Amino acid sequence: RKEVEQDPGPFNVPEGATVAFNCTYSNSASQSFFWYRQDCRKEPKLLMSVYSSGNEDGRFTAQLNRASQYISLLIRDSKLSDSATYLCVARPNFNKFYFGSGTKLNVKP
Amino acid sequence: EAGVTQFPSHSVIEKGQTVTLRCDPISGHDNLYWYRRVMGKEIKFLLHFVKESKQDESGMPNNRFLAERTGGTYSTLKVQPAELEDSGVYFCASSQARGGRDIQYFGAGTRLSVL
Repeated sequence: RKEVEQDPGPFNVPEGATVAFNCTYSNSASQSFFWYRQDCRKEPKLLMSVYSSGNEDGRFTAQLNRASQYISLLIRDSKLSDSATYLCVARPNFNKFYFGSGTKLNVKP
Repeated sequence: EAGVTQFPSHSVIEKGQTVTLRCDPISGHDNLYWYRRVMGKEIKFLLHFVKESKQDESGMPNNRFLAERTGGTYSTLKVQPAELEDSGVYFCASSQARGGRDIQYFGAGTRLSVL
């Protein structure tokens, strides 16, 4: 079983739509979670950190549900520039970070 | 401030050859991580340095892989001898722990092709 699982998508949405991705993790010891954005053939870039129940940054909201072991990412008012692959990351200890395979988002005009 | 830099950006070698990848972390970052992404799979953790000390190398695939971080600055990852299944993108990331909530910054990666 993978440490972090994500729906690979793609999610095809029109501009202005609200879209949500879920991510499940298997290690209940994980304390920190992250959402990274990765553009094609580029490095992952941090979008948001989640240490407690959730975090919000502008159009982006992350929610953590420890009981069900999932993290969600909500994007409101989608922009064309939001098109990318979104990587969910769980951190079970200081040393390790486990990545999901990513969810691909296509925002269309 | 310079970000994490990796060299080379792309390497094409033949099976059985040796390749050395280099990572220069952000200045002052004690934590340095190596990851690998093979085609169609998720990014996988390889190992973690704190300064020059290996903290966790449980993700290293086998003993053909050797990572070093002499002096706690830049790091190298050597693959010897390379096999076909070693092809993929090797990412390096660095962070400076702040109360346990450190943020990793990634380099652009080295794309390794073993033929």
